[in-house]
Amino acid sequence: GAVVSQHPSWVICKSGTSVKIECRSLDFQATTMFWYRQFPKQSLMLMATSNEGSKATYEQGVEKDKFLINHASLTLSTLTVTSAHPEDSSFYICSARVDYSEQYFGPGTRLTVT
Amino acid sequence: SQQGEEDPQALSIQEGENATMNCSYKTSINNLQWYRQNSGRGLVHLILIRSNEREKHSGRLRVTLDTSKKSSSLLITASRAADTASYFCATHGSSNTGKLIFGQGTTLQVKP
Repeated sequence: GAVVSQHPSWVICKSGTSVKIECRSLDFQATTMFWYRQFPKQSLMLMATSNEGSKATYEQGVEKDKFLINHASLTLSTLTVTSAHPEDSSFYICSARVDYSEQYFGPGTRLTVT
Repeated sequence: SQQGEEDPQALSIQEGENATMNCSYKTSINNLQWYRQNSGRGLVHLILIRSNEREKHSGRLRVTLDTSKKSSSLLITASRAADTASYFCATHGSSNTGKLIFGQGTTLQVKP
Protein backbone atom coordinates (compact mmCIF):
# COMPACT_ATOMS: atom_id res chain seq x y z
CA GLY A 1 0.00 0.00 0.00
CA ALA A 2 0.88 3.65 -0.27
CA VAL A 3 3.29 4.83 2.40
CA VAL A 4 3.82 8.36 3.63
CA SER A 5 6.71 9.23 5.89
CA GLN A 6 7.44 12.26 7.99
CA HIS A 7 10.71 13.50 9.34
CA PRO A 8 11.47 14.14 12.07
CA SER A 9 9.03 12.16 14.18
CA TRP A 10 9.60 14.54 17.04
CA VAL A 11 11.52 17.76 17.52
CA ILE A 12 12.20 20.13 20.37
CA CYS A 13 13.24 23.66 19.52
CA LYS A 14 13.73 26.94 21.29
CA SER A 15 11.32 29.79 20.98
CA GLY A 16 12.18 32.03 18.05
CA THR A 17 13.84 29.38 15.94
CA SER A 18 12.48 27.75 12.80
CA VAL A 19 11.72 24.09 12.26
CA LYS A 20 11.28 22.20 9.01
CA ILE A 21 9.13 19.09 8.76
CA GLU A 22 9.30 16.84 5.72
CA CYS A 23 6.51 14.77 4.27
CA ARG A 24 7.36 12.16 1.65
CA SER A 25 5.29 9.77 -0.40
CA LEU A 26 7.57 6.75 -0.61
CA ASP A 27 6.07 4.60 -3.31
CA PHE A 28 3.77 6.86 -5.25
CA GLN A 29 3.59 10.34 -6.66
CA ALA A 30 1.34 12.83 -4.96
CA THR A 31 0.30 15.97 -6.76
CA THR A 32 -1.45 17.13 -3.63
CA MET A 33 -0.45 16.91 -0.02
CA PHE A 34 -2.26 18.23 3.00
CA TRP A 35 -0.94 19.52 6.31
CA TYR A 36 -2.92 19.15 9.52
CA ARG A 37 -2.33 20.24 13.07
CA GLN A 38 -3.66 18.40 16.08
CA PHE A 39 -3.61 19.71 19.63
CA PRO A 40 -3.80 17.25 22.54
CA LYS A 41 -7.13 15.47 22.80
CA GLN A 42 -8.49 17.35 19.82
CA SER A 43 -9.25 16.54 16.24
CA LEU A 44 -7.19 17.29 13.15
CA MET A 45 -7.43 20.78 11.76
CA LEU A 46 -6.50 21.28 8.13
CA MET A 47 -3.85 23.96 7.81
CA ALA A 48 -3.12 24.02 4.11
CA THR A 49 -3.28 22.21 0.80
CA SER A 50 0.04 21.80 -0.92
CA ASN A 51 0.11 21.36 -4.69
CA GLU A 52 3.27 20.38 -6.50
CA GLY A 53 4.79 23.30 -8.34
CA SER A 54 2.40 25.92 -7.07
CA LYS A 55 1.70 27.95 -3.98
CA ALA A 56 -0.04 26.32 -1.07
CA THR A 57 -3.63 27.16 -0.25
CA TYR A 58 -4.04 28.03 3.41
CA GLU A 59 -7.13 27.61 5.51
CA GLN A 60 -8.71 30.60 7.13
CA GLY A 61 -6.83 31.68 10.22
CA VAL A 62 -3.56 29.98 9.29
CA GLU A 63 -0.69 32.43 8.84
CA LYS A 64 1.05 31.68 5.57
CA ASP A 65 4.14 33.66 6.54
CA LYS A 66 4.51 31.64 9.69
CA PHE A 67 3.84 28.21 8.23
CA LEU A 68 5.82 28.05 5.02
CA ILE A 69 4.91 25.17 2.73
CA ASN A 70 6.98 24.04 -0.21
CA HIS A 71 5.99 21.22 -2.55
CA ALA A 72 9.00 21.06 -4.84
CA SER A 73 8.49 17.55 -6.17
CA LEU A 74 5.79 14.95 -6.55
CA THR A 75 7.10 13.06 -3.54
CA LEU A 76 8.10 15.79 -1.09
CA SER A 77 6.36 18.59 0.72
CA THR A 78 7.90 20.56 3.56
CA LEU A 79 6.33 22.61 6.32
CA THR A 80 8.54 25.19 8.01
CA VAL A 81 7.35 26.70 11.24
CA THR A 82 9.09 30.05 11.39
CA SER A 83 9.87 31.90 14.59
CA ALA A 84 8.24 29.15 16.60
CA HIS A 85 6.53 29.94 19.88
CA PRO A 86 5.30 27.61 22.62
CA GLU A 87 1.73 27.90 21.31
CA ASP A 88 2.94 26.29 18.07
CA SER A 89 3.67 23.11 20.01
CA SER A 90 1.44 20.51 18.44
CA PHE A 91 1.27 17.29 16.47
CA TYR A 92 1.67 17.99 12.76
CA ILE A 93 0.38 15.38 10.32
CA CYS A 94 0.63 15.35 6.56
CA SER A 95 -1.32 13.33 4.05
CA ALA A 96 -0.79 12.62 0.40
CA ARG A 97 -3.61 12.34 -2.06
CA VAL A 98 -3.65 9.44 -4.46
CA ASP A 99 -6.91 10.28 -6.10
CA TYR A 100 -10.05 12.08 -5.10
CA SER A 101 -11.10 9.57 -2.52
CA GLU A 102 -7.92 8.26 -1.04
CA GLN A 103 -5.45 9.98 1.18
CA TYR A 104 -2.64 8.35 3.06
CA PHE A 105 -1.43 9.85 6.28
CA GLY A 106 2.06 10.18 7.62
CA PRO A 107 2.87 9.11 11.18
CA GLY A 108 3.00 12.69 12.41
CA THR A 109 5.64 14.99 13.89
CA ARG A 110 5.50 16.07 17.52
CA LEU A 111 6.78 19.63 17.83
CA THR A 112 7.63 21.04 21.25
CA VAL A 113 8.72 24.64 21.48
CA THR A 114 10.41 25.59 24.73
CA SER B 1 -13.46 24.29 9.81
CA GLN B 2 -14.69 21.21 11.58
CA GLN B 3 -18.09 20.21 10.39
CA GLY B 4 -18.36 16.82 11.99
CA GLU B 5 -19.53 16.20 15.46
CA GLU B 6 -19.13 12.86 17.07
CA ASP B 7 -20.65 11.29 20.08
CA PRO B 8 -19.86 10.05 22.50
CA GLN B 9 -16.61 11.94 23.01
CA ALA B 10 -15.36 9.09 25.14
CA LEU B 11 -16.45 5.50 25.46
CA SER B 12 -15.21 2.81 27.81
CA ILE B 13 -16.29 -0.81 27.38
CA GLN B 14 -15.19 -4.32 28.29
CA GLU B 15 -13.46 -6.56 25.82
CA GLY B 16 -15.98 -8.52 23.82
CA GLU B 17 -18.65 -5.84 23.93
CA ASN B 18 -19.74 -3.83 20.92
CA ALA B 19 -18.84 -0.16 20.52
CA THR B 20 -20.96 2.31 18.59
CA MET B 21 -19.81 5.76 17.64
CA ASN B 22 -21.87 8.38 15.85
CA CYS B 23 -20.91 11.21 13.56
CA SER B 24 -22.97 14.09 12.24
CA TYR B 25 -22.05 16.51 9.49
CA LYS B 26 -23.49 19.70 8.10
CA THR B 27 -22.97 19.94 4.36
CA SER B 28 -23.74 17.59 1.50
CA ILE B 29 -21.10 14.94 0.90
CA ASN B 30 -19.82 12.59 -1.74
CA ASN B 31 -18.54 10.09 0.77
CA LEU B 32 -17.70 9.71 4.45
CA GLN B 33 -14.67 7.99 5.86
CA TRP B 34 -13.72 6.63 9.25
CA TYR B 35 -10.18 6.68 10.59
CA ARG B 36 -8.50 5.29 13.66
CA GLN B 37 -5.67 6.99 15.51
CA ASN B 38 -3.64 5.30 18.19
CA SER B 39 -2.25 7.67 20.78
CA GLY B 40 0.50 9.85 19.34
CA ARG B 41 0.36 8.19 15.95
CA GLY B 42 -0.89 8.92 12.47
CA LEU B 43 -4.24 7.97 11.06
CA VAL B 44 -5.25 4.61 9.73
CA HIS B 45 -8.03 4.50 7.16
CA LEU B 46 -10.77 2.11 8.21
CA ILE B 47 -13.60 2.37 5.75
CA LEU B 48 -15.20 4.65 3.16
CA ILE B 49 -18.91 4.78 2.51
CA ARG B 50 -20.27 6.61 -0.49
CA SER B 51 -23.27 8.89 -0.36
CA ASN B 52 -25.40 6.40 -2.29
CA GLU B 53 -24.62 3.60 0.15
CA ARG B 54 -26.51 3.01 3.38
CA GLU B 55 -24.40 0.35 5.02
CA LYS B 56 -20.97 -1.14 4.61
CA HIS B 57 -19.08 -3.90 6.38
CA SER B 58 -15.40 -4.61 6.79
CA GLY B 59 -14.45 -7.40 9.15
CA ARG B 60 -15.71 -6.42 12.61
CA LEU B 61 -16.63 -2.95 11.41
CA ARG B 62 -20.06 -1.89 10.30
CA VAL B 63 -20.71 1.62 9.04
CA THR B 64 -24.07 3.15 8.30
CA LEU B 65 -24.86 6.39 6.53
CA ASP B 66 -28.09 8.35 6.66
CA THR B 67 -27.79 11.29 4.31
CA SER B 68 -31.26 12.56 5.20
CA LYS B 69 -30.12 12.99 8.79
CA LYS B 70 -26.54 13.82 7.80
CA SER B 71 -25.22 11.20 10.16
CA SER B 72 -23.12 8.09 10.20
CA SER B 73 -22.34 5.43 12.74
CA LEU B 74 -19.41 3.10 13.24
CA LEU B 75 -20.01 -0.17 15.03
CA ILE B 76 -17.11 -2.29 16.21
CA THR B 77 -18.27 -5.75 17.19
CA ALA B 78 -16.58 -8.08 19.65
CA SER B 79 -14.14 -5.40 20.69
CA ARG B 80 -10.56 -6.14 21.66
CA ALA B 81 -8.11 -4.28 23.83
CA ALA B 82 -6.20 -3.46 20.63
CA ASP B 83 -9.19 -1.46 19.42
CA THR B 84 -8.38 1.16 22.06
CA ALA B 85 -7.84 4.33 20.04
CA SER B 86 -9.51 7.51 18.87
CA TYR B 87 -11.91 7.24 15.97
CA PHE B 88 -12.66 10.06 13.58
CA CYS B 89 -15.13 10.50 10.80
CA ALA B 90 -14.14 12.69 7.88
CA THR B 91 -15.94 14.09 4.89
CA HIS B 92 -14.83 15.56 1.62
CA GLY B 93 -17.82 17.73 1.21
CA SER B 94 -19.19 18.46 -2.23
CA SER B 95 -16.14 20.24 -3.62
CA ASN B 96 -13.40 18.50 -5.54
CA THR B 97 -10.51 19.89 -3.55
CA GLY B 98 -9.82 16.62 -1.79
CA LYS B 99 -9.79 18.36 1.57
CA LEU B 100 -10.92 16.21 4.44
CA ILE B 101 -12.88 17.74 7.28
CA PHE B 102 -12.68 15.74 10.46
CA GLY B 103 -15.14 15.24 13.24
CA GLN B 104 -14.18 15.79 16.85
CA GLY B 105 -13.53 12.13 17.40
CA THR B 106 -14.49 9.48 19.90
CA THR B 107 -11.90 8.09 22.27
CA LEU B 108 -12.55 4.41 22.80
CA GLN B 109 -11.07 2.44 25.66
CA VAL B 110 -11.52 -1.32 25.63
CA LYS B 111 -10.70 -2.88 28.96
CA PRO B 112 -9.27 -6.39 28.94
